[in-house]
Amino acid sequence: AQSVAQPEDQVNVAEGNPLTVKCTYSVSGNPYLFWYVQYPNRGLQFLLKYITGDNLVKGSYGFEAEFNKSQTSFHLKKPSALVSDSALYFCAVREGYGGSQGNLIFGKGTKLSVKP
Amino acid sequence: ETGVTQTPRHLVMGMTNKKSLKCEQHLGHNAMYWYKQSAKKPLELMFVYSLEERVENNSVPSRFSPECPNSSHLFLHLHTLQPEDSALYLCASSQAWGAGELFFGEGSRLTVL
Repeated sequence: AQSVAQPEDQVNVAEGNPLTVKCTYSVSGNPYLFWYVQYPNRGLQFLLKYITGDNLVKGSYGFEAEFNKSQTSFHLKKPSALVSDSALYFCAVREGYGGSQGNLIFGKGTKLSVKP
Repeated sequence: ETGVTQTPRHLVMGMTNKKSLKCEQHLGHNAMYWYKQSAKKPLELMFVYSLEERVENNSVPSRFSPECPNSSHLFLHLHTLQPEDSALYLCASSQAWGAGELFFGEGSRLTVL
C-alpha cells in the first residue's frame, strides 16, 4: 500500500535562510508526488507536482522539490525563506492514474515557522 | 477567488441535530471529494464522487451522508454526530477521479457539543 511520511512536525527557519521540508514515500509502482500548503483557517493550495521527467520540479511562490528515486524522497526547498511562508505543508503521493489507484494519500503535515 | 466554495465556514451543532455542509466548484471538474482534517492526523479521504456517482466510501460511519446532485455541487449531511467528529471538513475537486491535482475549498470547521 502507498504511504507518505513527513518526519518533522515543525521546521524553524530564519528569514533569508534556505529551507527544506522533508517527505519520503512508499509505493509499489512509479509515484506521482505533490506538495500542498495550508495557511491558517484556509484550505490546501497546490504548490507543485512530480509526474515524470526532470527530478527538480519548480512550483509556486519560489518553491521547488527534488525527486530522489533511490532515497524515495521528495523534499520541498526554497533558497531564501520569507516570514509569509509560515504555514502547514503537506506532501502527498498516489500510485497510479485514475480511479481509486489515483487517490491522493497525504502526510501528517509539517508546520513551517519563519522568524524575522 | 477560490474555484471551490464551501458553506458554512463554521458550524456548531449538538449531537441530536441535523445539519448539512455544502460545496460548489466552478472549475468544470468531474470528480469531487470530502476530506476530514483533524489535528495532528493525516487528511482522511471520506467520499469520492465521479460524474455524480459515488465511487469511494472509506468506511465512514453512516451518520455522515454525502449527496451529489450534479457535477458542480456536493453536500455532506450530518446526523447524530459525536464530539470526536469535530474537525475541519474539506471539499476538493479534480478534472477526473484520481487524475490531476486537487483543488480545495476553504473548509467547514465543525464543532459537535
